[in-house]
Amino acid sequence: GQNIDQPTEMTATEGAIVQINCTYQTSGFNGLFWYQQHAGEAPTFLSYNVLDGLEEKGRFSSFLSRSKGYSYLLLKELQMKDSASYLCAVMDSNYQLIWGAGTKLIIKP
Amino acid sequence: ETGVTQTPRHLVMGMTNKKSLKCEQHLGHNAMYWYKQSAKKPLELMFVYSLEERVENNSVPSRFSPECPNSSHLFLHLHTLQPEDSALYLCASSRASGEYQVDEQFFGPGTRLTVL
Repeated sequence: GQNIDQPTEMTATEGAIVQINCTYQTSGFNGLFWYQQHAGEAPTFLSYNVLDGLEEKGRFSSFLSRSKGYSYLLLKELQMKDSASYLCAVMDSNYQLIWGAGTKLIIKP
Repeated sequence: ETGVTQTPRHLVMGMTNKKSLKCEQHLGHNAMYWYKQSAKKPLELMFVYSLEERVENNSVPSRFSPECPNSSHLFLHLHTLQPEDSALYLCASSRASGEYQVDEQFFGPGTRLTVL
């Protein structure tokens, strides 16, 4: 079967760095997405990785290792507004997204 | 214009009611999606329309019926729902992904559905 695993909840301190991991087993691979979802709002796109390595976008970076079926989202200089759920999703061989359950990130002052 | 809009934002209905959810996208996309989001569960893909044709059903119960009259509008018709159908229903749109391009999906704010 297809499976995406990510931690249910993480806590970090304002100004610090946090890494959210995602492991996957899917039928085919056409890229991995990270989305951010604030409570009561729509998910919004953060990043897309299809090749191995690190993609940096401001305070956010995303890493992919296809051989290990592994990705992480790195958030630097955490701000209170970064409190949200972070969703990992893999595009499978049919070009459909398979989603993880999301990681709720709590930022403390 | 906001990219993807959904109405209503909140809906409470009894098990014998018939209601419809509406989604509209203003992004010029040619693929639209219905997802169900329940607490602490992964997003569940319900229906996909690409170029106005349904391409995925995912074994959704027949009490959910989608309609896509054109590339900008998507409906989800609801009939004789069960309490376990209470969830957030999200609509999304994108350029159709395939061998030569992969694009991110843009989501609407969702309809919070409660079935009594």
